[in-house]
Amino acid sequence: GEDVEQSLFLSVREGDSSVINCTYTDSSSTYLYWYKQEPGAGLQLLTYIFSNMDMKQDQRLTVLLNKKDKHLSLRIADTQTGDSAIYFCAERASGSARQLTFGSGTQLTVLP
Amino acid sequence: EADIYQTPRYLVIGTGKKITLECSQTMGHDKMYWYQQDPGMELHLIHYSYGVNSTEKGDLSSESTVSRIRTEHFPLTLESARPSHTSQYLCASSETGQPNTGELFFGEGSRLTVL
Repeated sequence: GEDVEQSLFLSVREGDSSVINCTYTDSSSTYLYWYKQEPGAGLQLLTYIFSNMDMKQDQRLTVLLNKKDKHLSLRIADTQTGDSAIYFCAERASGSARQLTFGSGTQLTVLP
Repeated sequence: EADIYQTPRYLVIGTGKKITLECSQTMGHDKMYWYQQDPGMELHLIHYSYGVNSTEKGDLSSESTVSRIRTEHFPLTLESARPSHTSQYLCASSETGQPNTGELFFGEGSRLTVL
């Protein structure tokens, strides 16, 4: 079955880079996503990567995909206090009837 | 910006009450979903719908029920709320046509507390 795992917590200093990691089990994943959830709010899509790509960069965000190891990472450059939130990794498997499988979320805390 | 709305945002009720959480989207999406989010963060799919008059149960068993009479509306109902139903409920929708990235658009959530 599909399974997505993330570490639960990450703390970084303001201005440093943050790297949030995710592993998944379904080799038929077509798209992989990073969502951000701020306190008391719903999830907002940050970025996504198609499974035939190794890397995607969007301003301060860099997504790296290692299909061989089924490992996805999100790097946030120059992390700011406004980046403090929960970050969810999610995958969409080919032909999946349930659309997306989410990880448990990583709580990112940015320290001043 | 996503056009998907949930009401109420916050609800505190007593045990045994019937409640309905509303979810509406104006994007014309056929697919809609309800997720339950634990206090510790994890999301669990409890219901989904692929269109009008189509509803399916998700991965996590839930005593709630849903209906899909109109494309834009996907309400969730608990006939008799219990403290174990205390949680955050997130509604989402997605496109059906191709090509699409499979992105889910989320509402702001409904936080339910049952005393």
